[in-house]
Amino acid sequence: ETGVTQSPTHLIKTRGQQVTLRCSSQSGHNTVSWYQQALGQGPQFIFQYYREEENGRGNFPPRFSGLQFPNYSSELNVNALELDDSALYLCASSQFPGELFFGEGSRLTVL
Amino acid sequence: GENVEQHPSTLSVQEGDSAVIKCTYSDSASNYFPWYKQELGKRPQLIIDIRSNVGEKKDQRIAVTLNKTAKHFSLHITETQPEDSAVYFCAASEGNAGGGADGLTFGKGTHLIIQP
Repeated sequence: ETGVTQSPTHLIKTRGQQVTLRCSSQSGHNTVSWYQQALGQGPQFIFQYYREEENGRGNFPPRFSGLQFPNYSSELNVNALELDDSALYLCASSQFPGELFFGEGSRLTVL
Repeated sequence: GENVEQHPSTLSVQEGDSAVIKCTYSDSASNYFPWYKQELGKRPQLIIDIRSNVGEKKDQRIAVTLNKTAKHFSLHITETQPEDSAVYFCAASEGNAGGGADGLTFGKGTHLIIQP
């Protein structure tokens, strides 16, 4: 067991709504990265947080935003949901600059 | 930015045979190349990785080779077993093992099927 936990595991939203996904990092890890995995595709980098600051960002619009808290847990927020946002959202924690440990993901369906 | 191509998309082999999955990358600055295994409905798990200063790395039945000049790297699994059935992803990064500021760039995955 890697120790990275995500919630909720599944959720359904409608287009235009907002969603918040949560991630608890593995004990001792100070970095959290978020990835979007569309069906049948590889994970795509959204952003990374290191010590509560955004440390890097992939090619995602500003309506994807995040936070990292003092205990290194993290949130991913997506505003104005679109149908294409339907995907598995994976959180991964690491002890910077070490390897990523992924959570089981949050499956988002946008109708 | 980095682009990673992965082939084949599906690979079916007989149990006990070897399997090879190949990836190419575009950014010559990339220096870290991990491989992840993702079973159906499960999280991706790192199975092996290699850095650009090494040409080959082996861990029991799994090996990875890297050709920096040609910008390609491959995963080799020998003596395949039913539990090797999964989707395998290659990735590349010019940063650290955690992906750095640009994250890890993943290939689209290879569905490996081990036939009994």
